[in-house]
Amino acid sequence: GESVGLHLPTLSVQEGDNSIINCAYSNSASDYFIWYKQESGKGPQFIIDIRSNMDKRQGQRVTVLLNKTVKHLSLQIAATQPGDSAVYFCAENIGNYGQNFVFGPGTRLSVLP
Amino acid sequence: ETGVTQTPRHLVMGMTNKKSLKCEQHLGHNAMYWYKQSAKKPLELMFVYSLEERVENNSVPSRFSPECPNSSHLFLHLHTLQPEDSALYLCASSQEGLVAGEAETQYFGPGTRLLVL
Repeated sequence: GESVGLHLPTLSVQEGDNSIINCAYSNSASDYFIWYKQESGKGPQFIIDIRSNMDKRQGQRVTVLLNKTVKHLSLQIAATQPGDSAVYFCAENIGNYGQNFVFGPGTRLSVLP
Repeated sequence: ETGVTQTPRHLVMGMTNKKSLKCEQHLGHNAMYWYKQSAKKPLELMFVYSLEERVENNSVPSRFSPECPNSSHLFLHLHTLQPEDSALYLCASSQEGLVAGEAETQYFGPGTRLLVL
């Protein structure tokens, strides 16, 4: 039969614009969150992380916002560049041992010239 | 380059074959992981090793057998796989215990693309 792949949300932005990628997480007790970028043919690459005692963290051209009230995480990329085209995953640590991450399905970011 | 290497990068095997995937981390970390990434599901945690002891096994079929001989090396032994096991198998590592009870960032290798015929 036909293989059905995971349907990824897609965000298309113009080069130079800002991008916002959203993620809803499941566990209100999750205490650590990571955003990863995955380019075609490569493994996930760490972008930025945030712990639950913070609501905002900034890196180089990226900002992560955490809203624990609604269990929402976002990644903002400033001045999006063609090299930012990739699939972006959020991951939440659901605890127990301390290294039990659950990953979202991902969002595909396409940067238009 | 994340400091985590995986070999082979691509593997095609029949259902009766036995093969092994290898992962090596050059980061001095004390925890290593196997994940499965398929086209139909989000990234799934398979196994966790901390200080060379398995601490997590997420209901993975026994045809997948992990081995962690030391903190830098991790293997995934494959035996009588099924076509639905075709996926990208990712290895990751992290340094645990920096702060008691806190999780730390995981760094991924490039993965092994596995096709089971």
